[in-house]
Amino acid sequence: QKEVEQDPGPLSVPEGAIVSLNCTYSNSAFQYFMWYRQYSRKGPELLMYTYSSGNKEDGRFTAQVDKSSKYISLFIRDSQPSDSATYLCAMIINTNAGKSTFGDGTTLTVKP
Amino acid sequence: NAGVTQTPKFQVLKTGQSMTLQCAQDMNHEYMSWYRQDPGMGLRLIHYSVGAGITDQGEVPNGYNVSRSTTEDFPLRLLSAAPSQTSVYFCASSERGPGGSPLHFGNGTRLTVT
Repeated sequence: QKEVEQDPGPLSVPEGAIVSLNCTYSNSAFQYFMWYRQYSRKGPELLMYTYSSGNKEDGRFTAQVDKSSKYISLFIRDSQPSDSATYLCAMIINTNAGKSTFGDGTTLTVKP
Repeated sequence: NAGVTQTPKFQVLKTGQSMTLQCAQDMNHEYMSWYRQDPGMGLRLIHYSVGAGITDQGEVPNGYNVSRSTTEDFPLRLLSAAPSQTSVYFCASSERGPGGSPLHFGNGTRLTVT
């Protein structure tokens, strides 16, 4: 069983929809949680970085962490065609660790 | 800003050939790493380095060698290419390591081994 499981998608939504992207994990030692966005034929880029349970908001994006359920989510409000990309969750045990563990990614298409 | 530069963008190898994937960063980051990305398997860490002269293995190191002689460069060597090494390879760097600072990725090298 993988340490990080991500909803596989693909996901297709109309412009303006609210999108929910989700990951679950099995290792309770994970403390830091990240979301990366990857456009086609490009490298991933960091979108959100959170620590501990709760919500973090940045513009149209909200990252949510529920450590008791070992579940993280990324919400996108008022989705735009430019949000069409693959979204990867990533987790790490502590700031000194050399390794992030990534989910497999969810591919999102926002249709105009 | 160049960021993380990977060369070549595309490469086709025959089984048994060797090659080096190049990675250079101009942000003076101490931490550098190599990932491979395969459909349905996400990003898997091959090797990483926390500074010049220091390297360590990741999740899937077999068949790959690395060295870090300078802060800027972190080449990945395939000693004897196998079809199982067909993948997209990403180099990433960060200021302090993936937990303390974001990873900056290059745009990848697409490798096919026939």
